[in-house]
Amino acid sequence: DVKVTQSSRYLVKRTGEKVFLECVQDMDHENMFWYRQDPGLGLRLIYFSYDVKMKEKGDIPEGYSVSREKKERFSLILESASTNQTSMYLCASRMLRGSQPQHFGDGTRLSIL
Amino acid sequence: DQQVKQNSPSLSVQEGRISILNCDYTNSMFDYFLWYKKYPAEGPTFLISISSIKDKNEDGRFTVFLNKSAKHLSLHIVPSQPGDSAVYFCAARDVYGGATNKLIFGTGTLLAVQP
Repeated sequence: DVKVTQSSRYLVKRTGEKVFLECVQDMDHENMFWYRQDPGLGLRLIYFSYDVKMKEKGDIPEGYSVSREKKERFSLILESASTNQTSMYLCASRMLRGSQPQHFGDGTRLSIL
Repeated sequence: DQQVKQNSPSLSVQEGRISILNCDYTNSMFDYFLWYKKYPAEGPTFLISISSIKDKNEDGRFTVFLNKSAKHLSLHIVPSQPGDSAVYFCAARDVYGGATNKLIFGTGTLLAVQP
């Protein structure tokens, strides 16, 4: 079974802080993704990566950056946290080839005060 | 512009009856469609998928139907069980997405199965 692990289930930070969300997968997947989920808006893609050190902007990248130094780890960075970044953050991974589903972690509920 | 739409935010069904969740899309280049189920405070779990070359895929109590001419996708759950109560997301992949394997998600439908 694929295991996608997000480092924190719940996180509370203050406005202006730099916030790091970590995600690790154990299946040697090339693709990794960061989403946020908000009520009524579904899952929106922030950033994704299809290889080490490769990253591409998703649909809502503003205020975020990412890092992929190792294949198994994909980090999401909030450069200067703001209250509108309070959300559920979900990490996912999948194989590069074929029609395979993305596998998700359990999410990080982030509150910015 | 929402390329994948789930127009029903919620659905309530009696235990044992059929649940039908609907999804519409606008991009004819989508080649692969998926349904995910999400419980509160957990990540989405993959449920079932269908390729655009098929019109039906079945897995136990779950069946997904694809009507390409109508750009419509539906998930049938028969019989519905209280444990099926969750938010259901449909998602689609663009055939020209290449190595990115991006998925476009709908906004979700909250299914409540009443005992």
